Amino acid sequence: DVKVTQSSRYLVKRTGEKVFLECVQDMDHENMFWYRQDPGLGLRLIYFSYDVKMKEKGDIPEGYSVSREKKERFSLILESASTNQTSMYLCASTKTPANYGYTFGSGTRLTVV
Amino acid sequence: EDQVTQSPEALRLQEGESSSLNCSYTVSGLRGLFWYRQDPGKGPEFLFTLYSAGEEKEKERLKATLTKKESFLHITAPKPEDSATYLCAVQYSGTYKYIFGTGTRLKVLA
Repeated sequence: DVKVTQSSRYLVKRTGEKVFLECVQDMDHENMFWYRQDPGLGLRLIYFSYDVKMKEKGDIPEGYSVSREKKERFSLILESASTNQTSMYLCASTKTPANYGYTFGSGTRLTVV
Repeated sequence: EDQVTQSPEALRLQEGESSSLNCSYTVSGLRGLFWYRQDPGKGPEFLFTLYSAGEEKEKERLKATLTKKESFLHITAPKPEDSATYLCAVQYSGTYKYIFGTGTRLKVLA
């Protein structure tokens, strides 16, 4: 069964910590995405990547960075975690052309205290 | 500004009571409209892609339709296991990005 795997389901971090969220897909997809999901705001795009070492900012990139050194892995980095980054983080991937629908991971619920 | 609006925000149905969810969009240059199902604590699961007005897709008790300005997700004779949040997303031309709606929370009572 094809999968997008996120390394942690739940994380609790302290304000100011550097946080790494990892995502791995086994479908040989070119495109990978990081979203955050908050009640009433829906899914908002943080960053996406359409190829290895390529990245583009989404709608809310401030306070985040990403890394894609291998095709199957896309990492989201919170440079200095803040309480307003408490959220559900969802990784997704899709093949090119991107009209097959995304495959999402199960999400990481991050709490920053 | 491009927007995707879903209605209603929440819907409670009795088992067997058919209804429709709405997704309206203002995106110009539509490339595709997508429907997802999301269960609590999980990532969204892809259901359908629609590309052009008049197109319809079906899966079990679900049927999605598309017009020039909106899409409907029809649920026929729903069961309690259909309870979930249903998300609509629009992709516009020239990008891999989606715009997501905030979803409709569906509860089907036995």
